[in-house]
Formats: sequence, structure tokens, C-alpha cells
Amino acid sequence: TQLLEQSPQFLSIQEGENLTVYCNSSSVFSSLQWYRQEPGEGPVLLVTVVTGGEVKKLKRLTFQFGDARKDSSLHITAAQPGDTGLYLCAAEAGSGNTGKLIFGQGTTLQVKP
Amino acid sequence: ETGVTQSPTHLIKTRGQQVTLRCSSQSGHNTVSWYQQALGQGPQFIFQYYREEENGRGNFPPRFSGLQFPNYSSELNVNALELDDSALYLCASSLDRGPYGYTFGSGTRLTVV
Repeated sequence: TQLLEQSPQFLSIQEGENLTVYCNSSSVFSSLQWYRQEPGEGPVLLVTVVTGGEVKKLKRLTFQFGDARKDSSLHITAAQPGDTGLYLCAAEAGSGNTGKLIFGQGTTLQVKP
Repeated sequence: ETGVTQSPTHLIKTRGQQVTLRCSSQSGHNTVSWYQQALGQGPQFIFQYYREEENGRGNFPPRFSGLQFPNYSSELNVNALELDDSALYLCASSLDRGPYGYTFGSGTRLTVV
């Protein structure tokens, strides 16, 4: 069974602090996605990482795909209250074009002003 | 370009009843996937429809069923509702079975009492 484990599950920090969220698995994935979900809304895709060792930056967010394509991290620099939300990592299950995503259990981030 | 629209937004049903949830896919997308998200958890894959055919199913019992129509909109039907079916039901559309380029709707919050 392919699983994605996220840590930490909850994070409450002050505005301006840095943080890292981790997404780990024992399985190898061809790609991995990060989503952010706000209360009452569906997840919104932030980034897709494809190549082992790849680093992508989206303003203050830095995403890294592990060399072995089994893990990923999301680092936020100088967090702001607008970053508050549920962060989810996801990867395509199985092999081939299954179209099925498996999700981690999510990391709830609260950034206090 | 319109996004993914789900209806209704909220629903309360009694245990044992049946429910139908609806999803209009994003313009140009031919694939619809349904996910169940329990409170504080990541979404879990229910099934996917591609060009009106079921293209993969997650670990959900047969009382969860679906349809996709020629205009690529979709329905999720759940029979014999149980209390544990209370969750946010998310619809995501994509092109050619995804999972890249998923666009999620805001979801239907189902409460079973």
C-alpha cells in the first residue's frame, strides 16, 4: 500500500517565522504535488515536482523533491497570516496513467499576526 | 473559463437515506474524479470517470456509485447512508485522466445524522 506521511500535523507560529513541512513515503513516485486548502474550499495546486533533487520556488515557498523521489519538503520563509491553511502533499498511485491521487493527512498551519 | 462547480454546498441527511451530489467540470476537461475528505484528514480517492466510463476506483463499497454525462459533468450517489459517510466530498476535473492539472471544486459538506 502506498502511503504519504506528513509531519508535523499541526503547526502554530508567529508571523515572520520560518517553517518546514515534510512528506515521506517508502514508495517511489514519478512526481509529487503540493496543495493548499482553506476552510470551506477545495485544494488548490501549488506545485508539481518531477525530477529527483528538484527544487522549485514560489515566492516565499520552496519545494524540494528528494533524490530518490520518495520524499518532499515545503519550506516557507517569513510566514504571513495569509499562509494559514491545510497543506497537502499528493502523488499518483500505482503505475501508468491511473489518474488517482493519494494524499498525505495534511499539515494544518496557523500563522498568528 | 469556468472552474469546477459542485452542488449542493451543504446537505444534511438521515442514516439509511440516499444522496446525489453533482459536479460540473471545468471547460475543456473530460475527466472527473471524486474524493472524500473526513475532518482533519487528506482526501481519499473514491473513483474517476473518463469519457463516461469508470476509470479506477478506490477502497469504497458498492453503495458509492457514479455517473458521467456527455457534457462531462458527473454525479456521485451514495445509498444507505451511514454516520461515517459524513465528510466533505470533493470533485476534481482534469484532462485525459489527469492527475496533472487537477482543478478541485469547493466541495459538498455532507452530514449524516
